[in-house]
Amino acid sequence: EIVMTQSPATLSVSPGERATLTCRASQSVSSGLAWYQRKPGQAPRLLIYGASTRATGIPARFSGSGSGTEFTFTISSLQSEDFAVYYCQQYNNWPFTFGPGTKVDIK
Amino acid sequence: EVQLVESGGGLVQPGGSLRLSCAASGITFTYYWMSWVRQAPGKGLEWVANINQDGSEKYYVDSVNGRFTISRDNAKNSLYLQMDSLRAEDTAVYYCARDRGALGFWGQGTLVTVSS
Repeated sequence: EIVMTQSPATLSVSPGERATLTCRASQSVSSGLAWYQRKPGQAPRLLIYGASTRATGIPARFSGSGSGTEFTFTISSLQSEDFAVYYCQQYNNWPFTFGPGTKVDIK
Repeated sequence: EVQLVESGGGLVQPGGSLRLSCAASGITFTYYWMSWVRQAPGKGLEWVANINQDGSEKYYVDSVNGRFTISRDNAKNSLYLQMDSLRAEDTAVYYCARDRGALGFWGQGTLVTVSS
């Protein structure tokens, strides 16, 4: 099973600032990597798939990059509605696995 | 509007069974792989199972393989998860989701509690 790790566990950011999150896989997942946003009491929302492709309706301030074992997710200018937990997930090898999440909170 | 609505959760004793359902609307159900994902209290997200469009391919995580069965009824736009021989560690919120890789839509989840 591929183990996904995320760093940092918590990121404190001021509105308008840039947030950069990292996700690492224990072995290569090629570009089979997705990012999700999750707010309290809600189901996860797909933001990025294929490591760098924004899902339908996702604003351009969200971006993803990387391939293989190292991935980066960036929010270019944090809005108030962006404070949430972000998960990465690999779907290159079964069983598909999620990272533990990075909480982005208000500084 | 896409909607996935889970039902069937509840309290069950260890060793017991439960059948979860997921009713889909706003999508052409037959086009998509479907998945079940769970989250235990205080734990991370875990993919449980997925099924292809006609039900001929099914995949399970090792921890549920042989105990859980995923199925679908395309005529009813519905996804199911039959859970047998339930254990305390199966306690979780179970989510129905569209797709196989990157999950484009999720339901709100149904809580399964396995306890005596």
